[in-house]
Amino acid sequence: AQTVTQSQPEMSVQEAETVTLSCTYDTSENNYYLFWYKQPPSRQMILVIRQEAYKQQNATENRFSVNFQKAAKSFSLKISDSQLGDTAMYFCAFIDRDDKIIFGKGTRLHILP
Amino acid sequence: DAGVIQSPRHEVTEMGQEVTLRCKPISGHDYLFWYRQTMMRGLELLIYFNNNVPIDDSGMPEDRFSAKMPNASFSTLKIQPSEPRDSAVYFCASSFPRITEAFFGQGTRLTVV
Repeated sequence: AQTVTQSQPEMSVQEAETVTLSCTYDTSENNYYLFWYKQPPSRQMILVIRQEAYKQQNATENRFSVNFQKAAKSFSLKISDSQLGDTAMYFCAFIDRDDKIIFGKGTRLHILP
Repeated sequence: DAGVIQSPRHEVTEMGQEVTLRCKPISGHDYLFWYRQTMMRGLELLIYFNNNVPIDDSGMPEDRFSAKMPNASFSTLKIQPSEPRDSAVYFCASSFPRITEAFFGQGTRLTVV
C-alpha cells in the first residue's frame, strides 16, 4: 500500500528561524508527484510547493524549499526566515499513477514571536 | 472561477439522521475527491471520481456512506444513518489529471450528537 509518513506531530520555532518538516513515503512507482499543503486555522488547504519525481532539482518557492531524496523516498520541507503567518498544519501528499492523492497525518507548526 | 464550493459550512445533526454534504468542483476539472479530516486519522481519502465515474471508494468507512456525482458540476456525500463517530471535517477537492495540485473547498464541519 502507498503511504505517507510525517514523523513530527508538532513543532515550535522562534520567528525568523529556519525549520524543516520531514516526510517519507512508500511507493513502487517511478513517476509521481509530491506536494506540501498548508492548513492555517481558517481550515483552508493551500498548496505550498510541488515536486515532480523525475526532476532531480529541488523545488523552491520563495522561503519554502524541499529536499527531495528519491532513493530514500524522503521529501522534507524547509521554511527559511519563518514568520508568524507560517503557523499552520502542514501536510505532505503524494499522487500516484491513478491520480489518487494520499496525505500524511500532518505536522502542526507553531511560530513563536 | 469561485473555486471549489462546499455546503453547508457547518452541520449539527442528531444521531440517526441523514446528512447530505454538497460540492461544486471547479469548472473543467476531471477529478473530484472527498476527504475526511479528524485529529486521530488526519486526512483520509473516502472516494474519488474521474469524469463523474467513481474510481475508488475503498476509503468509504461503511455502507452508511455513499457518494454520487450526477454531473460534472455537482457531487454529494451522504451519511445515513449518522453516528457520533462520523463527526469530522469533510473536504471536497477537484483537479486536472496529476499535472496540477488538487484545489480544496472550505470543508464542512459535521457534528453528530
